[in-house]
Amino acid sequence: EDKVVQSPLSLVVHEGDTVTLNCSYEVTNFRSLLWYKQEKKAPTFLFMLTSSGIEKKSGRLSSILDKKELFSILNITATQTGDSAVYLCAVPTSGTYKYIFGTGTRLKVLA
Amino acid sequence: SQTIHQWPATLVQPVGSPLSLECTVEGTSNPNLYWYRQAAGRGLQLLFYSVGIGQISSEVPQNLSASRPQDRQFILSSKKLLLSDSGFYLCAWGRGTVDEKLFFGSGTQLSVL
Repeated sequence: EDKVVQSPLSLVVHEGDTVTLNCSYEVTNFRSLLWYKQEKKAPTFLFMLTSSGIEKKSGRLSSILDKKELFSILNITATQTGDSAVYLCAVPTSGTYKYIFGTGTRLKVLA
Repeated sequence: SQTIHQWPATLVQPVGSPLSLECTVEGTSNPNLYWYRQAAGRGLQLLFYSVGIGQISSEVPQNLSASRPQDRQFILSSKKLLLSDSGFYLCAWGRGTVDEKLFFGSGTQLSVL
C-alpha cells in the first residue's frame, strides 16, 4: 500500500534556528513528491521534486529528494515567526493522479 | 491565470441535515478535481477524485457523494449529515500529465452538531 510518513509531527524552535523536516514514502512507480505549507486554510505549493539529488531552493527554503532511500527533506534556514505552519508532503499514487499526503509537521517558531 | 473558488468558508449544520459544498475552477479546462477532508491535527484524506464530467472515483466509503456536472465544477453532497462528517474540506485541482502540482481552494470548515 502506498504511504507517506512525515517526521517529526511537531517542532518548536526559536527565530533564527535552522530546521529540517522529513518525508519518507513508499509508492510504486514514483513520479514526483510535492511540499506544501498550510498556515490556516489552503495549503500553498512550495516545491515539486522529481529527480534525485537536485536541490530546489526558494529563499530560505530548500528541498532535496533521495530516490534511492525514498525520502525528501525540507530545510528552512534563519526561521521567522511567519514560517509557523503545518508542512505537508504528498506523492501521486502509481498510475494515477490521486495524491496521498503525510500527516504533516507542525512547526512553531517563537520570537 | 487559474483560480479556484470554494464556498462557503464555514458551515454549521445539524445532524441529519443535507450538505452541498461547491468548488469551481477558472482559467483552465479539463482539470482533475479533488475533495479532501482534514480532521483537526491530521493530514489530508482523499475523498473523491474526478478526471472528467460525470467521472467520479470514491476513495473512502462514507456518507458523502460527489458530482461533476460541468467541466470546472465539483460538488460535495450528503443527504443526511453525521457528527463524524465534521472537518475541514478542501477542494483542489491539477493538470495531470501537464503538471503534477495540486492547487487548493480556501476550504470549508464544517461543524455538524
